[in-house]
Amino acid sequence: EIVLTQSPGTLSLSPGERATLSCRASQSVSSSYLAWYQQKPGQAPRLLIYGASSRATGVPDRFSGSGSGTDFTLTISRLEPEDFAVYYCQQYGSSPPYSFGQGTKLEIK
Amino acid sequence: EVQLVESGGGLVKPGGSLRLSCAASGFTFSSYSMNWVRQAPGKGLEWVSSVSSSSSYIYYADSVRGRFTISRDNAKNSLYLQVNSLRTEDTAVYYCARGVVAAHLRYYFDYWGQGTLVTVSS
Repeated sequence: EIVLTQSPGTLSLSPGERATLSCRASQSVSSSYLAWYQQKPGQAPRLLIYGASSRATGVPDRFSGSGSGTDFTLTISRLEPEDFAVYYCQQYGSSPPYSFGQGTKLEIK
Repeated sequence: EVQLVESGGGLVKPGGSLRLSCAASGFTFSSYSMNWVRQAPGKGLEWVSSVSSSSSYIYYADSVRGRFTISRDNAKNSLYLQVNSLRTEDTAVYYCARGVVAAHLRYYFDYWGQGTLVTVSS
């Protein structure tokens, strides 16, 4: 089973700043089958990125994903107030079990 | 508009059972894999189970295998999770999520329901 480790655990930034979130896999993720989700308090997760770098429908272009192999990054180019949330990565590069990272909380500084 | 609406959660004693349901609308249900993902209070996301579009492939997390059973009824646009022999550590919000097939048995989750809370406590 692939273990995903996200860093940092908490990221404190101000609106307008750039956010860089990391997701590292314990082994290579096949075909860059990695997704990113955003979750706000009391809400269901929302798909942001799939295939490591493809934005889901309706996701603003300030969100971008990159990486391959074992190292992946979610970048938010310029933080908006609504971007403060918890972000999870998920790998689907192998047959189940699918694994999620433990999450990165992006909080307002 | 894609909608997924879970139901069936509640308070149950250890060892008890529940049947969770997910009613789907706004898309061709029979064309998609369906999945359950749970989230314990204040914790992260945990994949629980997946079923392919025609129920040919079914998978479970090790933590629930042998106790939980996933099923679907394509005629009723519904997904189910029978949860038996519940433990306190099964306490969580259970989300159903539509799976997009990136490749054979490689799913990511593009739409999620709002979840149903299962609380296991004596």
